[in-house]
Amino acid sequence: KAGVTQTPRYLIKTRGQQVTLSCSPISGHRSVSWYQQTPGQGLQFLFEYFSETQRNKGNFPGRFSGRQFSNSRSEMNVSTLELGDSALYLCASTIVGGASTDTQYFGPGTRLTVL
Amino acid sequence: AQSVTQPDIHITVSEGASLELRCNYSYGATPYLFWYVQSPGQGLQLLLKYFSGDTLVQGIKGFEAEFKRSQSSFNLRKPSVHWSDAAEYFCAVGSPNQAGTALIFGKGTTLSVSS
Repeated sequence: KAGVTQTPRYLIKTRGQQVTLSCSPISGHRSVSWYQQTPGQGLQFLFEYFSETQRNKGNFPGRFSGRQFSNSRSEMNVSTLELGDSALYLCASTIVGGASTDTQYFGPGTRLTVL
Repeated sequence: AQSVTQPDIHITVSEGASLELRCNYSYGATPYLFWYVQSPGQGLQLLLKYFSGDTLVQGIKGFEAEFKRSQSSFNLRKPSVHWSDAAEYFCAVGSPNQAGTALIFGKGTTLSVSS
């Protein structure tokens, strides 16, 4: 079974631009979570989608948004990019998403660099 | 506030020696506990998890962890380290009472293995 796929793997943008990252979960997984990883702040939870609905949200500004499609694929969007948005963005999929007991399987991440 | 502390930023261990990585958490109740490993340029791989029951948990790659409620700790151990274990290790907690899959991660411990 294929793992979590994230595209693109690397991205370079300039300040003020917007960016869209994509995540394809493991087949049959219905929950997708997004995390931001930076050297200074570590791994921080952005949001989680289940059945096309945002069910949980971390403490990030409204410039960070996401959505989930009927096939469980998810996208996250960052508008008006800032230098501090440079990070590794990780996506994780969960088979059911009904509780925190479900194991999260992580993708390889998208490395975003903002110049 | 919920938090996870990994006191050791960087540890160097000789190949074949034993390993213990420390993790302490702050949480209102007993959380769900996880250890993940991240190799350079890769996503996170789950090593093991604790939800309830036996406080000594076995994971992949010969790792084990012990949950100690009185110390709010969940330390990761391996009896004999291999050079391929060099990576960054993250401890995380999840809520047993909240739908959704938001994990809170520690800042990580980088493991170097010397020959």
